[in-house]
Amino acid sequence: DIQMTQSPSSLSASVGDRVTITCQASQDISNYLNWYQQKPGKAPKLLIYDASNLETGVPSRFSGSGSGTDFTFTISSLQPEDIATYYCQQYDNLFTFGGGTKVEIK
Amino acid sequence: EVQLVETGGGLIQPGGSLRLSCAASGFTVSSNYMSWVRQAPGKGLEWVSVIYSGGSTYYADSVKGRFTISRDNSKNTLYLQMNSLRAEDTAVYYCARVPPEGYAFDIWGQGTMVTVSS
Repeated sequence: DIQMTQSPSSLSASVGDRVTITCQASQDISNYLNWYQQKPGKAPKLLIYDASNLETGVPSRFSGSGSGTDFTFTISSLQPEDIATYYCQQYDNLFTFGGGTKVEIK
Repeated sequence: EVQLVETGGGLIQPGGSLRLSCAASGFTVSSNYMSWVRQAPGKGLEWVSVIYSGGSTYYADSVKGRFTISRDNSKNTLYLQMNSLRAEDTAVYYCARVPPEGYAFDIWGQGTMVTVSS
């Protein structure tokens, strides 16, 4: 099974800050990685697919990069509405989610 | 409008069975991969099962042999039959669409809560 390790598990940043989350796969998954945003009490929402492609309608301050085992998700300028938990997910071998990163406003 | 609506959750005793339904509108279930994802209270997301457009099914090790995913093409509905339920199966269960051209969960239902407790 492929394990996905996200870090940090939580972070606190100010409005306007650049926020970076990392996701590491236990084996090479090429670019078979997606990122989701989940707000409290809501279903997850797809933000980034295939490691770096922005889903339609998602603000351009969100971006993703990486391939192989190491991936990065970035919010270029944190906004109050970005408060949520973010998850990576691999699909190289079935599906596995990372543990999540809770983003809060400082 | 493209949407998924789950029903069937509730309180069930350990060892019991429950069937979840996920009604789709705005697209055809059988033309897509469809999946179940769950989230225990205060925890992260856990993939549970997938049914491919061709009918192949796969399960997480934690539910293999106890859960069965299926679909009814005439009703455009996805199902999850859950047997031998355990306390650790307590979670919100989401159904999600996975378009075959890309393996991302792009449409999600609102979720249905399953509580396994005596």
